[in-house]
Amino acid sequence: QKEVEQNSGPLSVPEGAIASLNCTYSDRGSQSFFWYRQYSGKSPELIMSIYSNGDKEDGRFTAQLNKASQYVSLLIRDSQPSDSATYLCAVMDSNYQLIWGAGTKLIIKP
Amino acid sequence: EPEVTQTPSHQVTQMGQEVILRCVPISNHLYFYWYRQILGQKVEFLVSFYNNEISEKSEIFDDQFSVERPDGSNFTLKIRSTKLEDSAMYFCASSEASADISKSEAFFGQGTRLTVV
Repeated sequence: QKEVEQNSGPLSVPEGAIASLNCTYSDRGSQSFFWYRQYSGKSPELIMSIYSNGDKEDGRFTAQLNKASQYVSLLIRDSQPSDSATYLCAVMDSNYQLIWGAGTKLIIKP
Repeated sequence: EPEVTQTPSHQVTQMGQEVILRCVPISNHLYFYWYRQILGQKVEFLVSFYNNEISEKSEIFDDQFSVERPDGSNFTLKIRSTKLEDSAMYFCASSEASADISKSEAFFGQGTRLTVV
């Protein structure tokens, strides 16, 4: 059974601080990794994709991938109250299916 | 900005009835997907569709489910003989054709909330 694990949270971070979200996956053959943001009652919204080991930066967001450790993370710098949402880690497995984590609820406190 | 659109936004149906959920993918996208999310639970992959045929499907996507691309723009999910446990948000997504399918980024519609009573 292919699994994607995330801490459900809630993760509470002061406004302006760095929020760090983590994800581990079980399928060593996975090649592609995605972070989605989901506001309550809304659809997932793609934030970042990462395919190779290391860091990938896009504005306030940095995705980090370590395939040897089967670990992917998302850093949000200068956190804003509007960043409060559930962050979903999705991993594309060797059958090209997206396997989803349950999400981490992030709360940014003003 | 192009977006995936889904209709209806909310559908209430009686147990045993058939429902059709509709989606209009982004116009230049060639991969289409259906996902569902039961309230409070993970997003679950149902099916992917490319070149007018199913490319992958999950264990959830049994004979109760079918997908169709009836014309050049719509992509539908049909659920026959609905059950109470089919109540969920159903999301349609689409992605561009890519030489490397593993790098296809999926963009989601706003979802259809299906309630089976």
